[in-house]
Amino acid sequence: EPEVTQTPSHQVTQMGQEVILRCVPISNHLYFYWYRQILGQKVEFLVSFYNNEISEKSEIFDDQFSVERPDGSNFTLKIRSTKLEDSAMYFCARPGQNRDGYTFGSGTRLTVV
Amino acid sequence: SQQGEEDPQALSIQEGENATMNCSYKTSINNLQWYRQNSGRGLVHLILIRSNEREKHSGRLRVTLDTSKKSSSLLITASRAADTASYFCATVYFDYKLSFGAGTTVTVRA
Repeated sequence: EPEVTQTPSHQVTQMGQEVILRCVPISNHLYFYWYRQILGQKVEFLVSFYNNEISEKSEIFDDQFSVERPDGSNFTLKIRSTKLEDSAMYFCARPGQNRDGYTFGSGTRLTVV
Repeated sequence: SQQGEEDPQALSIQEGENATMNCSYKTSINNLQWYRQNSGRGLVHLILIRSNEREKHSGRLRVTLDTSKKSSSLLITASRAADTASYFCATVYFDYKLSFGAGTTVTVRA
């Protein structure tokens, strides 16, 4: 199956600024997920998105976070006012056929300074 | 939480040797998956084993699942330098989201 593309690959932002991370998974997939990985730590679930709505979110996914599918193919994660502790790798993912494994994007490394 | 936990945290082996890592989890699962992550890169799906399966093979990979002990193992046979990476187990409950363990860092020495 085609890969999942994430942009940008690396973003440095000032604390308090808004960032938008983008994912292009393929337009006919209904399920998408965002995960994050703080350096040296485990991969953590953020949010799942089904048919243009949030289906589940973790405690990490507070009011500063939002997800959208603005044009039917792109899939965005927005952090409204970044904090130092938001520095991490952010991955989007989609399930494979019959939910056999997930295809992850290459990730966006977010550095908040 | 049904998060998987791997051991060992780190493993260093000689090229050609086998590498074995284990994963334990807490609740009933739908399936368990193993992923590889090269340094600073994305996660690559390796293999999936369903709750009604006990063993699965894919190339040099062998995965076992013991639902009575809530544990799984990943064996990489005849390791190569290119196998150097972090390996994560991820459990999937019936909500389909992945719950990852902390990972095992494998270093294969030439």
